[in-house]
Amino acid sequence: DSGVTQTPKHLITATGQRVTLRCSPRSGDLSVYWYQQSLDQGLQFLIQYYNGEERAKGNILERFSAQQFPDLHSELNLSSLELGDSALYFCASSADRNGEKLFFGSGTQLSVL
Amino acid sequence: GNSVTQMEGPVTLSEEAFLTINCTYTATGYPSLFWYVQYPGEGLQLLLKATKADDKGSNKGFEATYRKETTSFHLEKGSVQVSDSAVYFCALPFGQAGTALIFGKGTTLSVSS
Repeated sequence: DSGVTQTPKHLITATGQRVTLRCSPRSGDLSVYWYQQSLDQGLQFLIQYYNGEERAKGNILERFSAQQFPDLHSELNLSSLELGDSALYFCASSADRNGEKLFFGSGTQLSVL
Repeated sequence: GNSVTQMEGPVTLSEEAFLTINCTYTATGYPSLFWYVQYPGEGLQLLLKATKADDKGSNKGFEATYRKETTSFHLEKGSVQVSDSAVYFCALPFGQAGTALIFGKGTTLSVSS
């Protein structure tokens, strides 16, 4: 058990809809990262937050947004969903800003039908 | 920006066989390099890392040496076990600031008894 909790584990929704994925980092970890894993693209870095502030942005679409709350949990919001957004979304946390040792959650499997 | 390329899988081996998974990178400077492993149904976890040229990272019988001349960080294990069956990811920092990690596409290893 990595100590990172992601909910829900599975999500099935329709095109055009909006969903929110939630992540609770390990106790004391200030950095949260979101990744998208798909068969064709592999593991893509989306965005990083450190202590409530956005620190780095990767291949995150404009339809996607994230935030980190004062209690350090994070949410990833995906809107106007398309079939191609179906993927496994991972959250990871680390104690520092540089993210060299990441602890991953078990992921949220999103299916857009 | 930084990038990483690793060999395509799947790699299928018999127990006690020798394993090599190739990884090459492109980076500004000399960033730390990592191997992460993903067991079925789980998130990624750190396997080993090397922080400078000629460093050898090792863990659980796996080794990888940071070679700046060939920009490589190949993963090796002398005698694989069935329990090593997993997906292996090579990784390095996203950018020069060292925030977050970017991952290769992953190599699936399947070990049979």
